[in-house]
Amino acid sequence: AQSVTQLDSHVSVSEGTPVLLRCNYSSSYSPSLFWYVQHPNKGLQLLLKYTSAATLVKGINGFEAEFKKSETSFHLTKPSAHMSDAAEYFCVVKWTGGFKTIFGAGTRLFVKA
Amino acid sequence: NAGVTQTPKFRVLKTGQSMTLLCAQDMNHEYMYWYRQDPGMGLRLIHYSVGEGTTAKGEVPDGYNVSRLKKQNFLLGLESAAPSQTSVYFCASSASNTRFSYEQYFGPGTRLTVT
Repeated sequence: AQSVTQLDSHVSVSEGTPVLLRCNYSSSYSPSLFWYVQHPNKGLQLLLKYTSAATLVKGINGFEAEFKKSETSFHLTKPSAHMSDAAEYFCVVKWTGGFKTIFGAGTRLFVKA
Repeated sequence: NAGVTQTPKFRVLKTGQSMTLLCAQDMNHEYMYWYRQDPGMGLRLIHYSVGEGTTAKGEVPDGYNVSRLKKQNFLLGLESAAPSQTSVYFCASSASNTRFSYEQYFGPGTRLTVT
């Protein structure tokens, strides 16, 4: 069965330190991959997406993610965390040829001053 | 350009009551979706629509009905609410379902509590 796994339910970093949020998906042909962010009591906002162009994808607010086909991973990174980055992050995968989109369970990012 | 809006923002229902959640988008998107979000489970698709007058079941459709009489609106109905339907409901829309145009735009959510 197709699946998306966010390896950490929560991550805590200090302001100014790097952020790494991990996402793995079940292997399949040509997925499209997305990261969304959800701030408290808000809807989801697209951070970035991979749709078979460059494997390193840059998004908004300094975030980027790298598609690694051999590892079936799409980890989200940011060089320096800011307090405003505290939110929940969702990895989302869509497999071409079908309608189904699967959301990961989410990773809550805490940023300490 | 308001994007995707949802009405109401909050609602408390008693078991057995009915209600309708309204989603509206002003981006002329063909596709619209209803999700529910529960702690630790990400978002799960309830129903979706690929165009005006069409609807289809998603992953967790039981207990819900939908209608898309106008392209810009997608309604989610609960005929007889149950405590298991306590959740946050999100509506989303997208221009298409093709590989390169699949970004979904989300509404702010409706927090529903069923007692």
